[in-house]
Amino acid sequence: AQTVTQSQPEMSVQEAETVTLSCTYDTSENNYYLFWYKQPPSRQMILVIRQEAYKQQNATENRFSVNFQKAAKSFSLKISDSQLGDTAMYFCAFMKEAFGNEKLTFGTGTRLTIIP
Amino acid sequence: DAGVTQSPTHLIKTRGQQVTLRCSPKSGHDTVSWYQQALGQGPQFIFQYYEEEERQRGNFPDRFSGHQFPNYSSELNVNALLLGDSALYLCASSLTTGLSNQPQHFGDGTRLSIL
Repeated sequence: AQTVTQSQPEMSVQEAETVTLSCTYDTSENNYYLFWYKQPPSRQMILVIRQEAYKQQNATENRFSVNFQKAAKSFSLKISDSQLGDTAMYFCAFMKEAFGNEKLTFGTGTRLTIIP
Repeated sequence: DAGVTQSPTHLIKTRGQQVTLRCSPKSGHDTVSWYQQALGQGPQFIFQYYEEEERQRGNFPDRFSGHQFPNYSSELNVNALLLGDSALYLCASSLTTGLSNQPQHFGDGTRLSIL
């Protein structure tokens, strides 16, 4: 079974600053995917970024980037030039690779507050 | 292009009752997954439906059951409701391609409150 751990229940940062959210996971799988999802107060879970384990290059999406360390089973999210709209719960999630679609295993989340 | 839609938005039930939640997947998607998100927690996988059959199931009792229709929409049924069933229920849809795993797109959820 896979487990995902987010050790920072809450974080806050000034607007325009950079913040890094931590995530570690445990699995015996070799092929898998890692995700960061954002959940604002509106409740909808929004995909922020995705990383394939077989890719050594870290994924980036505009102001969002990850630091994927496969050997250490670490997957952190860096948000650059943070904006007020980034305020939300952030969940790290794991999915093993298989035919079709597998389930997502989520961490407990980090509540991020951007301070004006 | 409509995303994942769930109904109702909010529901209040009493212990022992039964409830049905509904989900319409994003256009072009054929796979529906259901998650339970307790307050302050991450979502927990309940089950997944593909080709009108339950393909995977998480660690939830048989009181939780589901169905997928030919148009790919899905229902989640919970019988004999307990106070602990109070949660946000999220539906996620995706496309099963047989190649790489496709991202799951989530709806806004149904907030279920048990009194």
